[in-house]
Amino acid sequence: DVKVTQSSRYLVKRTGEKVFLECVQDMDHENMFWYRQDPGLGLRLIYFSYDVKMKEKGDIPEGYSVSREKKERFSLILESASTNQTSMYLCASSSLRDRGVDTEAFFGQGTRLTVV
Amino acid sequence: LAKTTQPISMDSYEGQEVNITCSHNNIATNDYITWYQQFPSQGPRFIIQGYKTKVTNEVASLFIPADRKSSTLSLPRVSLSDTAVYYCLVDRSGGYQKVTFGTGTKLQVIP
Repeated sequence: DVKVTQSSRYLVKRTGEKVFLECVQDMDHENMFWYRQDPGLGLRLIYFSYDVKMKEKGDIPEGYSVSREKKERFSLILESASTNQTSMYLCASSSLRDRGVDTEAFFGQGTRLTVV
Repeated sequence: LAKTTQPISMDSYEGQEVNITCSHNNIATNDYITWYQQFPSQGPRFIIQGYKTKVTNEVASLFIPADRKSSTLSLPRVSLSDTAVYYCLVDRSGGYQKVTFGTGTKLQVIP
């Protein structure tokens, strides 16, 4: 069974702390993504990566950074957590798409982060 | 990437067919249309994907007209367990992909 695993289901951190959210996939996927989900705003893309050590900004990268040192692992870093980063964070992975071949993104269960 | 527009919410009774339409006026030639389903406290799950005409799988059907400026997800005979948020995405084939979600359609199935 394919899997995207996020290290924590729930996290509570203090304002100003450095926070690491970890995501591991076991499908040998090239692409990995970090989203945040807030009520009424849907899923918003923070960063994505299409290869080891490669990263691209999504729609809302401010306040976040990422690291991809190994193909299977993609980390989201909040350098100095703030209360407006309280949210559900979702990690996903997908394979490199060839023209005409459909691929799907597989999601983890999410990490609900509360910054107090 | 083509922006998508879909209704914010829909209600349906159990056993009815539900059609959710998504508009994507700026769809490009090499864009595919993909639908995801998300239950509360879970990550989205792939339902169906298509490029043109009609695609059917064990869960749903996807209808795409010739101009591809819209698409309709059809769920046959919904049950209470189909209550979820449904997202329409348009994304590009070839090379790496930036998978961007909108706000989705919240479907409430009523007994």
